Amino acid sequence: QKEVEQNSGPLSVPEGAIASLNCTYSDRGSQSFFWYRQYSGKSPELIMFIYSNGDKEDGRFTAQLNKASQYVSLLIRDSQPSDSATYLCAVNVRGSTLGRLYFGRGTQLTVWP
Amino acid sequence: SQTIHQWPATLVQPVGSPLSLECTVEGTSNPNLYWYRQAAGRGLQLLFYSVGIGQISSEVPQNLSASRPQDRQFILSSKKLLLSDSGFYLCAWRGYQLGEQYFGPGTRLTVT
Repeated sequence: QKEVEQNSGPLSVPEGAIASLNCTYSDRGSQSFFWYRQYSGKSPELIMFIYSNGDKEDGRFTAQLNKASQYVSLLIRDSQPSDSATYLCAVNVRGSTLGRLYFGRGTQLTVWP
Repeated sequence: SQTIHQWPATLVQPVGSPLSLECTVEGTSNPNLYWYRQAAGRGLQLLFYSVGIGQISSEVPQNLSASRPQDRQFILSSKKLLLSDSGFYLCAWRGYQLGEQYFGPGTRLTVT
């Protein structure tokens, strides 16, 4: 069973703070890791992906990967109310059938002004 | 650039009625395509995936079916809807970098 776990939240942070979203996965064969943002009533939007241990930065977003601990996180710096959404973590497992991704249930983030 | 379309955007159907949801992708050839369902307060459930015309794999047994009549067209169908079929239906295509997936705008289905 390939499981991807996320805290469901809600996670609430003030505007300007750092929001930290965490994800753990069970399959050590996981190769690529993705973060999606889903606004209420909308479809998921890919915002970051990472495949090497360490950090990857893109604007206010930083993805962190630790394969030894089977842990991937997303940091949002200078959080804005427009960042309020549900964030989904997904993993791509080596040898998985036809490129399927395994998704966590998502963490709901609220940024209050 | 690639674009993915889904229609209709919203749908209200009575129990026992048929269903047809359509997904089309532009700007790419022979993409891997996926159908997901997201029920209220739940995660994404993979329903079907396809690697080419006429090639469909099912993840879970249920009263839904899928077809891929053209390279960039993916259709989700049902002969008789159940209340439990209500949800947000998402089509996705697989990108070319790390296996990422890109989602269409979705169809919100309410079965009454």
